[in-house]
Amino acid sequence: SQTIHQWPATLVQPVGSPLSLECTVEGTSNPNLYWYRQAAGRGLQLLFYSVGIGQISSEVPQNLSASRPQDRQFILSSKKLLLSDSGFYLCACLGSQETQYFGPGTRLLVL
Amino acid sequence: GESVGLHLPTLSVQEGDNSIINCAYSNSASDYFIWYKQESGKGPQFIIDIRSNMDKRQGQRVTVLLNKTVKHLSLQIAATQPGDSAVYFCAPYPPHGQNFVFGPGTRLSVLP
Repeated sequence: SQTIHQWPATLVQPVGSPLSLECTVEGTSNPNLYWYRQAAGRGLQLLFYSVGIGQISSEVPQNLSASRPQDRQFILSSKKLLLSDSGFYLCACLGSQETQYFGPGTRLLVL
Repeated sequence: GESVGLHLPTLSVQEGDNSIINCAYSNSASDYFIWYKQESGKGPQFIIDIRSNMDKRQGQRVTVLLNKTVKHLSLQIAATQPGDSAVYFCAPYPPHGQNFVFGPGTRLSVLP
């Protein structure tokens, strides 16, 4: 079965600092990978998805970027964080099965 | 595109009672549906799924009903327990080339 790892679990960063969140996947190959952001009490907002190495699609214009340097690695980055970047970030994977699985999430607080 | 709505954004039930969480979808071509449970501070977890060639599927204490005529799903939880307290999302599998759409979910609170 697929396992998704995300780190760190919690992150507190000052405004204007850079960001790098990492997601790795086990148990599947060539998955579609996704980054979502979830504000408190809200649904999941799709930020980026990737169907393969080096292939990134962005759903919404924003201060963030994503990269996929390896088949099972997906990275979310920012050069300068904004207060509005605070939230709960979830990595998800769609593998050979038709089910999207989620990682444990990273809670980011920008101060 | 797909839109997903959820009736009753919050639901409170007594421990031991049955819970019913409803979900409406808009794309009549949707043929596979997933229910997720998200506990506070955690990622959503797969609970149960159903394909459009079925109208009912049962798991352990959970049953999903699908009514394709009115584009409606429900998740029934039997003998609700405190550990069932969470936000529940339904997600129709997206058409080719599109991505999953998640509504805000329904928050289930289990009262002692």
